[in-house]
Amino acid sequence: DQQVKQNSPSLSVQEGRISILNCDYTNSMFDYFLWYKKYPAEGPTFLISISSIKDKNEDGRFTVFLNKSAKHLSLHIVPSQPGDSAVYFCAAIWNSGNQFYFGTGTSLTVIP
Amino acid sequence: DVKVTQSSRYLVKRTGEKVFLECVQDMDHENMFWYRQDPGLGLRLIYFSYDVKMKEKGDIPEGYSVSREKKERFSLILESASTNQTSMYLCASSTRRGAGELFFGEGSRLTVL
Repeated sequence: DQQVKQNSPSLSVQEGRISILNCDYTNSMFDYFLWYKKYPAEGPTFLISISSIKDKNEDGRFTVFLNKSAKHLSLHIVPSQPGDSAVYFCAAIWNSGNQFYFGTGTSLTVIP
Repeated sequence: DVKVTQSSRYLVKRTGEKVFLECVQDMDHENMFWYRQDPGLGLRLIYFSYDVKMKEKGDIPEGYSVSREKKERFSLILESASTNQTSMYLCASSTRRGAGELFFGEGSRLTVL
């Protein structure tokens, strides 16, 4: 059973606009969440993370929001750039665990 | 610069062949993982190891085995490759339990004919 879900397989956004990628989870024990970016034929690279004690974390153009009551997190990219075109995975882990749980990914295309 | 290195970027094997995928990390991480990535299915965990000679099954261990004889090295073994094992294989490592980043290698694209 998929404990981390990304229900949008793909998203297209105009350059300069905001990209919003969504992620839902079912396990309330998760207390740390991460976003990864993956280009074709490369390994995923870490983008941004958030602890469950926060509801927002910002790093430059990237902001992650966490809504614990809804078991939902989102990644905002502002402004979107063509180089942001990639597959984005969200992942979750709990503090006493070793295993990361990944969503199925959202393919973002930023149109110049 | 921290690094997870996978031995082969691209491999082509025949059905029934034994396949070894090697992974080395230079960060002294305790945890190492093998995932496969398939379109629409995301990253699925095959096996992970939290210590030398320790291993735990992930979500899809069937048809695979692993070996961790040294802390820095984690090998994935396909005893008898099948066409449904054609995939992108990703090795990763992390330190300690819980909150912490997972570092990935570049990936190994395996095609089984």
